Amino acid sequence: DTAVSQTPKYLVTQMGNDKSIKCEQNLGHDTMYWYKQDSKKFLKIMFSYNNKELIINETVPNRFSPKSPDKAHLNLHINSLELGDSAVYFCASSQGRVHRPQHFGDGTRLSIL
Amino acid sequence: AQKVTQAQTEISVVEKEDVTLDCVYETRDTTYYLFWYKQPPSGELVFLIRRNSFDEQNEISGRYSWNFQKSTSSFNFTITASQVVDSAVYFCALTLVGADKLIFGTGTRLQVFP
Repeated sequence: DTAVSQTPKYLVTQMGNDKSIKCEQNLGHDTMYWYKQDSKKFLKIMFSYNNKELIINETVPNRFSPKSPDKAHLNLHINSLELGDSAVYFCASSQGRVHRPQHFGDGTRLSIL
Repeated sequence: AQKVTQAQTEISVVEKEDVTLDCVYETRDTTYYLFWYKQPPSGELVFLIRRNSFDEQNEISGRYSWNFQKSTSSFNFTITASQVVDSAVYFCALTLVGADKLIFGTGTRLQVFP
């Protein structure tokens, strides 16, 4: 059973569209994260949720809106996609605070045409 | 501010060679955690190790070993007798207790040739 699963794995779309990425974890963790990895492999935190509450919003454009319907899910909706949004987006989870090891999903590769 | 530096962008070795990946961190806090993650060509991120700032003991896990030295703010990772399957990008990361985010280095791409 996959611990942290993201869908879709690949997303190809045009500029200006709106898209969502879903993330689910079955580890019973209470904290979930979204990271963006750019073309140079640089990984940066975007959002962090603990028990469905937003605890980090790392100066991400408000076109990006995370939603956590329950502590096992953290979805990412992106409005008005731009070329610069092309990246791999990783969902992760941990139990408790971030100093616990994080378990990552396989990533969603988003390509904007 | 906190920072993690992985000065080696890319390292190439031949199988069975030993290789060390460097990680230097910056923080003024006395309580922090350091991590190593592996990202193989398939793309997923795999947790390798976590160390807290109060535990400077070196750790060995099979062919992997980690050398944590507070005096030089380094947390280096050595792979002994490297194998082709070790080819990946390796990330070092830092977090402070209560900071709620991991700060990653820029990664070191390791290529192990047969």
